[in-house]
Amino acid sequence: DTAVSQTPKYLVTQMGNDKSIKCEQNLGHDTMYWYKQDSKKFLKIMFSYNNKELIINETVPNRFSPKSPDKAHLNLHINSLELGDSAVYFCASSATKLAGANEQFFGPGTRLTVL
Amino acid sequence: GESVGLHLPTLSVQEGDNSIINCAYSNSASDYFIWYKQESGKGPQFIIDIRSNMDKRQGQRVTVLLNKTVKHLSLQIAATQPGDSAVYFCAENIQAGNMLTFGGGTRLMVKP
Repeated sequence: DTAVSQTPKYLVTQMGNDKSIKCEQNLGHDTMYWYKQDSKKFLKIMFSYNNKELIINETVPNRFSPKSPDKAHLNLHINSLELGDSAVYFCASSATKLAGANEQFFGPGTRLTVL
Repeated sequence: GESVGLHLPTLSVQEGDNSIINCAYSNSASDYFIWYKQESGKGPQFIIDIRSNMDKRQGQRVTVLLNKTVKHLSLQIAATQPGDSAVYFCAENIQAGNMLTFGGGTRLMVKP
């Protein structure tokens, strides 16, 4: 069974459009994340979210917004898409532990291409 | 700003040899480090982690070493196999919300 899944795997769209990427985890984790990986393979955190708080990386444009309908899902909405948004987007999840930070499980990624 | 980085962008090794991938970090407040492996077209896969109260941790064929004095992290892979070919990332936890900061990645190529 897939632990962290994302849809779609590929997304091609025009500049200016609004799109969403869905993420689901069946691990029972309480924290989920979105990362962006650029063409040079550099991975950058965008958001961290659990049922108590949303933490946003200050470099993320407000055109990007995470939405969580329930604990197992964290979708990424992107408004007014720009060419520079083209990248691979990864969802991840982890369980909160008293010992502090811990392992994150990643989804397979969604390759977004903006034309 | 403070960041995680890697010394070698590409590492080529012979099958059966040991591999060492290095990572430098500059944030002394980091308390947790992870190594991930990313194969082409896939998401990062957890390999091994270590907390700042340890200096060494071993897994199956992998060992992570943490030197807090010089802020250096390394991943050692024993008896490297073709299936180990991938991009390897180190990451550290320095932000609230368990958010990880990743290094730039090292591509490991295993020659048969």
